[in-house]
Amino acid sequence: DVKVTQSSRYLVKRTGEKVFLECVQDMDHENMFWYRQDPGLGLRLIYFSYDVKMKEKGDIPEGYSVSREKKERFSLILESASTNQTSMYLCASRTRVGEQYFGPGTRLTVT
Amino acid sequence: EDQVTQSPEALRLQEGESSSLNCSYTVSGLRGLFWYRQDPGKGPEFLFTLYSAGEEKEKERLKATLTKKESFLHITAPKPEDSATYLCAVLGAGSYQLTFGKGTKLSVIP
Repeated sequence: DVKVTQSSRYLVKRTGEKVFLECVQDMDHENMFWYRQDPGLGLRLIYFSYDVKMKEKGDIPEGYSVSREKKERFSLILESASTNQTSMYLCASRTRVGEQYFGPGTRLTVT
Repeated sequence: EDQVTQSPEALRLQEGESSSLNCSYTVSGLRGLFWYRQDPGKGPEFLFTLYSAGEEKEKERLKATLTKKESFLHITAPKPEDSATYLCAVLGAGSYQLTFGKGTKLSVIP
């Protein structure tokens, strides 16, 4: 079975803090993704990566950056957390035929 | 631009009452249509991939079908544990990312 894990299920941070969200997949997938999900807005793509050290902006990259130093690990970084970044963050990895598998999610609250 | 519209937004069924969820899509060159189940506070769980019109996939009480314009997720004799939000997504030929619908929230009442 494909497994995607995320470093935290729940996280509370203060405004202005630097936040790291880690994601690891165990299926040797090249493609990995970070989304945020908010009520009424659905899933929105923040960044994705199609190879080690490669990254592409998604639909809402402002305020975020990413890092992919190893194939299995994709990190999302909030440089200076703000209250409007309170959300559910979902990591996913994808097979070459397009099947995308999600992690359990991190519920981030910024106060 | 690829687009996905799911209907209805919410559906309440009595236990055992079969029904269907709809996913209408527009995409240039369909590479795949995907169904997911999402429970509250959790990540989406992959259910099915459909690649071409006429294709069908089944899993327990769920059956997904595909035409050139839409997909249906048929739920036969649902149980309360089938309650969840069901998401549909497409991958187009010219895209790196999936395009998701907003989902259908299914509630099955005992």
